[in-house]
Amino acid sequence: AQSVTQLDSQVPVFEEAPVELRCNYSSSVSVYLFWYVQYPNQGLQLLLKYLSGSTLVKGINGFEAEFNKSQTSFHLRKPSVHISDTAEYFCAVSRSNDYKLSFGAGTTVTVRA
Amino acid sequence: EADIYQTPRYLVIGTGKKITLECSQTMGHDKMYWYQQDPGMELHLIHYSYGVNSTEKGDLSSESTVSRIRTEHFPLTLESARPSHTSQYLCASSATVTEAFFGQGTRLTVV
Repeated sequence: AQSVTQLDSQVPVFEEAPVELRCNYSSSVSVYLFWYVQYPNQGLQLLLKYLSGSTLVKGINGFEAEFNKSQTSFHLRKPSVHISDTAEYFCAVSRSNDYKLSFGAGTTVTVRA
Repeated sequence: EADIYQTPRYLVIGTGKKITLECSQTMGHDKMYWYQQDPGMELHLIHYSYGVNSTEKGDLSSESTVSRIRTEHFPLTLESARPSHTSQYLCASSATVTEAFFGQGTRLTVV
């Protein structure tokens, strides 16, 4: 089975500053990796995903993530955050032949002016 | 925008009551899922379905049950609610392994 560890439970950041959210996973098989965002009182929305190919993937709202196979990591970054980026961010993994997702515990990002 | 709907959004109910959380999607997806979400914790898969008349239990044991009689509908039922069932329940659907679409969730409080 695969598991996901999000290393930061809360990340406060000032507006226009960069942010990085860390995610490590463990799996003995090939996986797909995802970042989802959950705005207050909303469901989860896909930010980006890594399936194969280039290890740097770009998503919506200016986010990007880098897959590092040797370190089993998939960290999410944004060079300049906005107040509207305040949300909870979830890293998730699935086996490449499986529809079921395993999630991390989430990282709450609070952007302050 | 994803076309997957959950009702009710919020529910406060007394111990021992039977409840059904509704989930419907209009995307024609074969795969549907129920996740349980508690603050500061991972989302845990409690049920999934790969098609009509197909349901399986997920990684987290749950006293709830599900049914899948129609492709678009995947309700979750608790026969006798208890305070330990207080949580947020998220429904999702997918057509491929590469993206799942989530509803807005039902926040259940059992008093």
